[in-house]
Amino acid sequence: DAGVTQSPTHLIKTRGQQVTLRCSPKSGHDTVSWYQQALGQGPQFIFQYYEEEERQRGNFPDRFSGHQFPNYSSELNVNALLLGDSALYLCASSLAGVPNYGYTFGSGTRLTVV
Amino acid sequence: AQSVTQPDIHITVSEGASLELRCNYSYGATPYLFWYVQSPGQGLQLLLKYFSGDTLVQGIKGFEAEFKRSQSSFNLRKPSVHWSDAAEYFCAVGAGTASKLTFGTGTRLQVTL
Repeated sequence: DAGVTQSPTHLIKTRGQQVTLRCSPKSGHDTVSWYQQALGQGPQFIFQYYEEEERQRGNFPDRFSGHQFPNYSSELNVNALLLGDSALYLCASSLAGVPNYGYTFGSGTRLTVV
Repeated sequence: AQSVTQPDIHITVSEGASLELRCNYSYGATPYLFWYVQSPGQGLQLLLKYFSGDTLVQGIKGFEAEFKRSQSSFNLRKPSVHWSDAAEYFCAVGAGTASKLTFGTGTRLQVTL
């Protein structure tokens, strides 16, 4: 049973560029959340997708956008990259409508902006 | 707004010693509480979770946590630490499984042999 799969594992981009990160949820899960984890910090919630729509959003600028596909996989897009966007980006999947269900996290994508 | 405080940034214990990692939360209703562990360069692995019921929760790898509503705490404990437990530990609070998680800043555990 495959867990949450994220790609790529590492990425280096130049300031001002755009980046797309991908996430495949755990089999059977229908909800995907994205988190940003800066070095030495705890993960911070970016947004959550369910039924191909953004359900919740954290305190991140519009440069951060996302998408969920019919197969529940998701993309995180960041435009006009800043040096401060360098972080580990984590994807978490879960199953909506099931009480007391938890989240499964992927291993993350390490983004370095130079 | 929900928040989590992990007062200890770094803790060092000897292998075989007991461990307690502190977590205090702020949340207006009944919280959903989690402890995750993260090895260097890796994602988060769920150790245990509390939603309701018995306030003492058992998790994987011999960890347990106790929910104390009066103290707004959810401390993680292990009776005997193994060298492989060295990692970063995060406490998190949420409103439910359809809700965002708010994480603490983490506690780095070092285990000496």
